Amino acid sequence: GAVVSQHPSRVICKSGTSVKIECRSLDFQATTMFWYRQFPKQSLMLMATSNEGSKATYEQGVEKDKFLINHASLTLSTLTVTSAHPEDSSFYICSAILELIPNNEQFFGPGTRLTVL
Amino acid sequence: AQTVTQSQPEMSVQEAETVTLSCTYDTSESDYYLFWYKQPPSRQMILVIRQEAYKQQNATENRFSVNFQKAAKSFSLKISDSQLGDAAMYFCAYRSPNFGNEKLTFGTGTRLTIIP
Repeated sequence: GAVVSQHPSRVICKSGTSVKIECRSLDFQATTMFWYRQFPKQSLMLMATSNEGSKATYEQGVEKDKFLINHASLTLSTLTVTSAHPEDSSFYICSAILELIPNNEQFFGPGTRLTVL
Repeated sequence: AQTVTQSQPEMSVQEAETVTLSCTYDTSESDYYLFWYKQPPSRQMILVIRQEAYKQQNATENRFSVNFQKAAKSFSLKISDSQLGDAAMYFCAYRSPNFGNEKLTFGTGTRLTIIP
């Protein structure tokens, strides 16, 4: 299947700093990417939908000024956690779809573990 | 809004035996997609099986099969001949068929343990 990568896989930062997470589709062009957040022993919660060349669509309750999403190309979406705080510590997962057809599959990245001290 | 419910936080099964994981969902849409994803300790999400609501036939992928009951809004996963590598978190997920609304709504997950 298609491959989606994330970088970094783990990041530890100090409170108040910003962290950028990259999501890349390695062998296909992804018009749409999704960003999920997963707390320990919990499910994946969709944070936002990222469309290439346009503004991301955020889910209710997600602060768009805190979680900046940029989808500048068909193979790269970035999530920047601005002024990170310990409560932002979580596992962040991206996924991508090849093209906008009804039964297409979402391919998931391996995730990024963010720890804010 | 759609909701997905997995009522079994944990399940265990003896190796080589069969186990069924439950999932129910709520939607007002008549057509949609349902998925089972596996998340092993590596945290990589892996698609196990997919069901399209307009198809009456239950999906099957090798040792994995589903029991899709549309009227009851139930979508259970059966794993036959369980193997040690099946140990993981399993998430049921719903997706609307609408163009531009491909986001997945996940259940809370079931942790499956395989007993050697």
